[in-house]
Amino acid sequence: DAMVIQNPRYQVTQFGKPVTLSCSQTLNHNVMYWYQQKSSQAPKLLFHYYDKDFNNEADTPDNFQSRRPNTSFCFLDIRSPGLGDAAMYLCATSREGGRGNTEAFFGQGTRLTVV
Amino acid sequence: AQTVTQSQPEMSVQEAETVTLSCTYDTSENNYYLFWYKQPPSRQMILVIRQEAYKQQNATENRFSVNFQKAAKSFSLKISDSQLGDTAMYFCAFMKQNRDDKIIFGKGTRLHILP
Repeated sequence: DAMVIQNPRYQVTQFGKPVTLSCSQTLNHNVMYWYQQKSSQAPKLLFHYYDKDFNNEADTPDNFQSRRPNTSFCFLDIRSPGLGDAAMYLCATSREGGRGNTEAFFGQGTRLTVV
Repeated sequence: AQTVTQSQPEMSVQEAETVTLSCTYDTSENNYYLFWYKQPPSRQMILVIRQEAYKQQNATENRFSVNFQKAAKSFSLKISDSQLGDTAMYFCAFMKQNRDDKIIFGKGTRLHILP
């Protein structure tokens, strides 16, 4: 059974047209992460939540926003997508961050194409 | 800031052989986690193995084992009896043992298992 679910799997959007990617989890984990991964590169952390506490990476462009309305759901909003934002976007969750028997569980990702 | 370095961008080995993937990291922390994640061509990231820094014993999971050298800040992955299904990108990752901290990835090693 899928534990971290990302929708849609594939998203095509027009240059400059706002787009929202969604992530849901059935694990009841405190922490949720959004990563951007371009072809053959390491995932790059955009931001993460500990419960409702939002942590933005210093180099994440303002064009990227996030919402976490409850424990189960987290959204990535790209306000004005550019061609350089085409990538795989990965959502992940972990329990209590770095405490305990921790690991991150990843969704299958959403591949974003900007046309 | 923590960094993770994987010096082997790509490797190929014959099926059934043993292969070792290298990883070094830099941190001033004493308590942390290290991970190896596998990302097959289908792109979902899955955990291969985890090591807690306070444990001296090297972690093992079936055919996968690590050589953790804390003083040298080295964390290599050994895959024994390699199988075609091991073909994937492998990422070494670091997380501080801290509330809500983030996972930092190396650039990855693309591993090809040849029939």
